[in-house]
Amino acid sequence: DAKTTQPPSMDCAEGRAANLPCNHSTISGNEYVYWYRQIHSQGPQYIIHGLKNNETNEMASLIITEDRKSSTLILPHATLRDTAVYYCIVRFYSNSGYALNFGKGTSLLVTP
Amino acid sequence: NAGVTQTPKFQVLKTGQSMTLQCAQDMNHNSMYWYRQDPGMGLRLIYYSASEGTTDKGEVPNGYNVSRLNKREFSLRLESAAPSQTSVYFCASSDNDRAPQHFGDGTRLSIL
Repeated sequence: DAKTTQPPSMDCAEGRAANLPCNHSTISGNEYVYWYRQIHSQGPQYIIHGLKNNETNEMASLIITEDRKSSTLILPHATLRDTAVYYCIVRFYSNSGYALNFGKGTSLLVTP
Repeated sequence: NAGVTQTPKFQVLKTGQSMTLQCAQDMNHNSMYWYRQDPGMGLRLIYYSASEGTTDKGEVPNGYNVSRLNKREFSLRLESAAPSQTSVYFCASSDNDRAPQHFGDGTRLSIL
């Protein structure tokens, strides 16, 4: 199963792009990369996912390197409401079934 | 848009008491999940139901039982609550096991 590594915390100025990195060097060919975030006291919120091509939606962009060993979530114009813990997840199948391994994520603080 | 609804939002129990956490989704999703989140830790999967009529253990199933009542509802039962089960419980649903999961706002459970 693929594990992910993220920095524990990052800061970003409001209005600037937030670039959140994730390493997943043991990812398998058919495993997707998912990004979720959790704003304090709320349930996790799905942001975006991808396999090998870059993806963009109304919330963010996901850049996956050609070798798929790392990815970057980009919030193009961060706002104060984007302050949250961001989780990079590689889905895997295990004896425990279809688990999303959330890990500890990156705590993003957007400052005025 | 209701999405995933969890009840109750807060609950305090005494050791040995039983209770059922309720979860309902209105997105016609096939798969449903129960997670717990403890301070400083990511979410851990307790049980999941890949489709109506099936349930399977996740990473931390001991002390819990589940019922997939119908396609919409997936309940989590604590038969004899223990202080170690003090946690925030999240229910989630997805169209299938590879699709993004959508989470409820959680049930905050304290066991004294």
